[in-house]
Amino acid sequence: EAQVTQNPRYLITVTGKKLTVTCSQNMNHEYMSWYRQDPGLGLRQIYYSMNVEVTDKGDVPEGYKVSRKEKRNFPLILESPSPNQTSLYFCASSPRGDYGYTFGSGTRLTVV
Amino acid sequence: QKEVEQNSGPLSVPEGAIASLNCTYSDRGSQSFFWYRQYSGKSPELIMSIYSNGDKEDGRFTAQLNKASQYVSLLIRDSQPSDSATYLCAVIISGSARQLTFGSGTQLTVLP
Repeated sequence: EAQVTQNPRYLITVTGKKLTVTCSQNMNHEYMSWYRQDPGLGLRQIYYSMNVEVTDKGDVPEGYKVSRKEKRNFPLILESPSPNQTSLYFCASSPRGDYGYTFGSGTRLTVV
Repeated sequence: QKEVEQNSGPLSVPEGAIASLNCTYSDRGSQSFFWYRQYSGKSPELIMSIYSNGDKEDGRFTAQLNKASQYVSLLIRDSQPSDSATYLCAVIISGSARQLTFGSGTQLTVLP
């Protein structure tokens, strides 16, 4: 089944403890992206990648890192999480830059 | 000015009616437009994409694009209670290396 897989689905962590949210797609898509969704603010792009080793900042990149060492994987790294990074995170992928994205199931992160 | 704006709603329509959802965008050079549906607690699901002026129909859904007016809409005919969800308009902003930008969404409720 063609899909974008994120893990974990739920995560509660403490301020300052480094964490990684994994994202993998099995559709051989070139483009991948991370979004966060907050009430009243909608979906905002954190980072995106146009191919292996090619990444760029979205609208809200502060406090996040990404890497694209393989085409299928695009992990999101929070080096020192803070409570304002409590949010619902989505990974998404697209075969081309002007096609729609397929979204993963989401990761609900709580930082206390 | 927000790059992608939607009527925040909520919008309620009776079962069997036509639901009309509207979206405007600020960048005149944008070329790719999408409508996503998001059920509560779920990930966004792509339901329509449109690239050229005019109408595009897919089952009960019709997307309409008017680039001169910088306006894109989604019509849902014969609305069903299962259509109750938040509908997100998304645009690829030109000059942004394929960055997909979302509106804040319109919550639709179809009343039985």
